[in-house]
Amino acid sequence: NAGVMQNPRHLVRRRGQEARLRCSPMKGHSHVYWYRQLPEEGLKFMVYLQKENIIDESGMPKERFSAEFPKEGPSILRIQQVVRGDSAAYFCASSFAQGNFQETQYFGPGTRLLVL
Amino acid sequence: KNEVEQSPQNLTAQEGEFITINCSYSVGISALHWLQQHPGGGIVSLFMLSSGKKKHGRLIATINIQEKHSSLHITASHPRDSAVYICAVRSGGATNKLIFGTGTLLAVQP
Repeated sequence: NAGVMQNPRHLVRRRGQEARLRCSPMKGHSHVYWYRQLPEEGLKFMVYLQKENIIDESGMPKERFSAEFPKEGPSILRIQQVVRGDSAAYFCASSFAQGNFQETQYFGPGTRLLVL
Repeated sequence: KNEVEQSPQNLTAQEGEFITINCSYSVGISALHWLQQHPGGGIVSLFMLSSGKKKHGRLIATINIQEKHSSLHITASHPRDSAVYICAVRSGGATNKLIFGTGTLLAVQP
């Protein structure tokens, strides 16, 4: 039973390019969360998605960032026109939920984005 | 003031020592998580608590909902326990986002 998969594990982009980060949740999980860890800072929530729906995007920067979780395929975090300040580790987590019951969130290995 | 506060920020211990890391929070929560992160590494979920106490191997986590406080204990610490330990609370309601503490960097020396 594979865990949460993220790819790529490391991504280097030049300023102005686009970054696409992928997250495949654990089998059976329909809830995906994206978190960002800036250098020397703690983790911060970005967005919470269920299949084909964005539930909470209160942590997403207003511009250049978008996320989706299509019916088929992985969740994608997209950063357009990257800037040096976007350099960070981006973690995805997934969970199973049924009704009001929430299982723990399982984290992927992260994608380390470096913007040159 | 952060919604989730951890103490200490840094902790150095000798192998075999009993270790306690504390977490206090100021928001309503539906659950509290303890996570482990090795330098440059991924994040492992150690515990999810909504009440009482949980134990897994040498790790013990407790939570006091009334006092909005949780502790993570490590018994018979070992150098491989060296990592950052992060407390995170899950807010209630429709969103299940986690709010993280800044982490406690633990170094266990042989």
